[in-house]
Amino acid sequence: QQQVKQSPQSLIVQKGGISIINCAYENTAFDYFPWYQQFPGKGPALLIAIRPDVSEKKEGRFTISFNKSAKQFSLHIMDSQPGDSATYFCAASMLRGGATNKLIFGTGTLLAVQP
Amino acid sequence: DAGVIQSPRHEVTEMGQEVTLRCKPISGHNSLFWYRQTMMRGLELLIYFNNNVPIDDSGMPEDRFSAKMPNASFSTLKIQPSEPRDSAVYFCASNKSGTGAGEQYFGPGTRLTVT
Repeated sequence: QQQVKQSPQSLIVQKGGISIINCAYENTAFDYFPWYQQFPGKGPALLIAIRPDVSEKKEGRFTISFNKSAKQFSLHIMDSQPGDSATYFCAASMLRGGATNKLIFGTGTLLAVQP
Repeated sequence: DAGVIQSPRHEVTEMGQEVTLRCKPISGHNSLFWYRQTMMRGLELLIYFNNNVPIDDSGMPEDRFSAKMPNASFSTLKIQPSEPRDSAVYFCASNKSGTGAGEQYFGPGTRLTVT
């Protein structure tokens, strides 16, 4: 019940296309859903995050779509650029409930944007 | 502001040797996390400290691994004795939320190779 399932494992998109990465969770107590971006040789960094009281959050070319009833959320990268080529991790956690809670990461998606 | 600092950035050692990885969290952050990243297992949380106290060490693989946080600005992850299967990138992360569930700031990682 603590798992976050992420797909696809890898994705190739043409420059200017839309990249879509999907995640699913089981624990309905999760209330924080971030996406992290990791470039080769670097640590992951927070890209965008959403709380379950909204169905969509947009920051520039990056959008999270959240479907509470289906327990799914996805990252959309519009007008994908070669500089977006990286590994993307979804995650989920419970911000409520105290110090023992932790981020549960998905398995990652390797995105390659071809010029 | 300096981010999370990890040392060394690369470590190559022989099986059976002791390895010590070091981390300096962002000043003012009171939670610290150690992760291990491999192709096979993705990003795994090893241990999490809050206010220098270990909160969750359920991810520590076995007794060969140990972690300490003697003060708010320094932590170590020690592997003794090291084995080839310990080869991975080890990340340290920190945050100031007082919980393991919120945004985390990752260091650049230490790439460990055990031959």
